[in-house]
Amino acid sequence: NAGVTQTPKFRILKIGQSMTLQCAQDMNHNYMYWYRQDPGMGLKLIYYSVGAGITDKGEVPNGYNVSRSTTEDFPLRLELAAPSQTSVYFCASSKTRDEQFFGPGTRLTVL
Amino acid sequence: EDKVVQSPLSLVVHEGDTVTLNCSYEVTNFRSLLWYKQEKKAPTFLFMLTSSGIEKKSGRLSSILDKKELFSILNITATQTGDSAVYLCAVGEYGNKLVFGAGTILRVKS
Repeated sequence: NAGVTQTPKFRILKIGQSMTLQCAQDMNHNYMYWYRQDPGMGLKLIYYSVGAGITDKGEVPNGYNVSRSTTEDFPLRLELAAPSQTSVYFCASSKTRDEQFFGPGTRLTVL
Repeated sequence: EDKVVQSPLSLVVHEGDTVTLNCSYEVTNFRSLLWYKQEKKAPTFLFMLTSSGIEKKSGRLSSILDKKELFSILNITATQTGDSAVYLCAVGEYGNKLVFGAGTILRVKS
C-alpha cells in the first residue's frame, strides 16, 4: 500500500495563476480531507469529503475548490493564487471519522 | 469558537529526561482526542482517547484524558533524540472535523 500520496512536493506560483494539488489514497477510505499548515500554526481544515460525490467546506475554504469523483482521488484546486495561500498543504484520509492518515504534503509558495 | 490549546509551545530537554506535554480544549461536541507526531513531513498517529482516566501506552509514550477538566497530557519517558518533533493534539467532534492545536516543539539534546 502506498497510503496517501500527494503531488507535487513543491510548487512556486505567481499571483493569479491556478493549479491543482493532487491527492490519492489506496486504502479504500471513504473520508478524505485537505488541510493547510502555516508556520507555527496547527492544521486548518479546508475541505473534506465523506465519500465519492460528496464534499463540504471546512474552516478555511475561501479561494479553494475540490471534487471527489472517485473514492481514491481528492484534488484541491486553487483558481487565483494569492500570497496568503503560501503554505504547506496536507491531504489525509480515514476509515472512520477519527484516526486520519496523512500524505507527505505539498509546499506551495505564491509570489 | 472551538479551540485546542497546547503548552508549552516549545521545550528543550536532554536525553533521558521525562517530558509532559499538555493539551486543553473547548469544543462543542467532543468525540475523541488524538495525538500526532510530526517530524518535518506528515503527522503520524500516536494515540486516540475517548474515555476519561484510561491511560494509553506505547513504549515510552503514554497519554491520558480528563473529560471533566477538558485536557489531556502526553508523557514521554527516557527521551531520545529521535523523539525530537512537533507533537500535535487534535480533538474530533461529532461530524467530520478534527480541530488541531498549534503543536509543541520538542527538542531532545544528546
